[in-house]
Amino acid sequence: NAGVMQNPRHLVRRRGQEARLRCSPVKGHSHVYWYRQLPEEGLKFMVYLQKENIIDESGMPKERFSAEFPKEGPSILRIQQVVRGDSAAYFCASSPTGTADTEAFFGQGTRLTVV
Amino acid sequence: DQQVKQNSPSLSVQEGRISILNCDYTNSMFDYFLWYKKYPAEGPTFLISISSIKDKNEDGRFTVFLNKSAKHLSLHIVPSQPGDSAVYFCAAEASGGSNYKLTFGKGTLLTVNP
Repeated sequence: NAGVMQNPRHLVRRRGQEARLRCSPVKGHSHVYWYRQLPEEGLKFMVYLQKENIIDESGMPKERFSAEFPKEGPSILRIQQVVRGDSAAYFCASSPTGTADTEAFFGQGTRLTVV
Repeated sequence: DQQVKQNSPSLSVQEGRISILNCDYTNSMFDYFLWYKKYPAEGPTFLISISSIKDKNEDGRFTVFLNKSAKHLSLHIVPSQPGDSAVYFCAAEASGGSNYKLTFGKGTLLTVNP
């Protein structure tokens, strides 16, 4: 009974490269959320997706960042032309519904380091 | 602009005693509150939650208290155990509609000494 699976666990990119972070939600969950945790900070909401739809991307930077959750396959968070400030832990969570009274399960995160 | 504040970065208690973790919020639209526990190199794990229509919710050793007028909540762990040592995040949500968008505090590192 697998939980939320994120890969890779650790990712090192040079400035200007692209980073792709993958998230496979709990089986049967159709709601996916991405959060970012900067050093010494709490998690900050980035984007909320349902299958093939972006519901709320208010926490995601307008440039260089994009997210998708296709009909088949994992959700992808893509960061183009990475900069040092993108270094952070990126967590994905999933839930069966989008309401607050159902628990969201978090993955172990992807630690992105930009050198 | 920190809407959810955990003013104590760390807390140390003895095994068997009570741990009290505090959280304050500023957004009066928040109506659902959660506590998450996080071990190093792992994702947050849901611990307990409370709706704004309640002032207390209990689950085993964990109790969350909500004081809406003070915009304050606290998590009590009793008795504390060494396995409780982790970072605890307070989170809040303005459920309003169907969105699920949590605002997290910066966390409190709890250390329970044997």
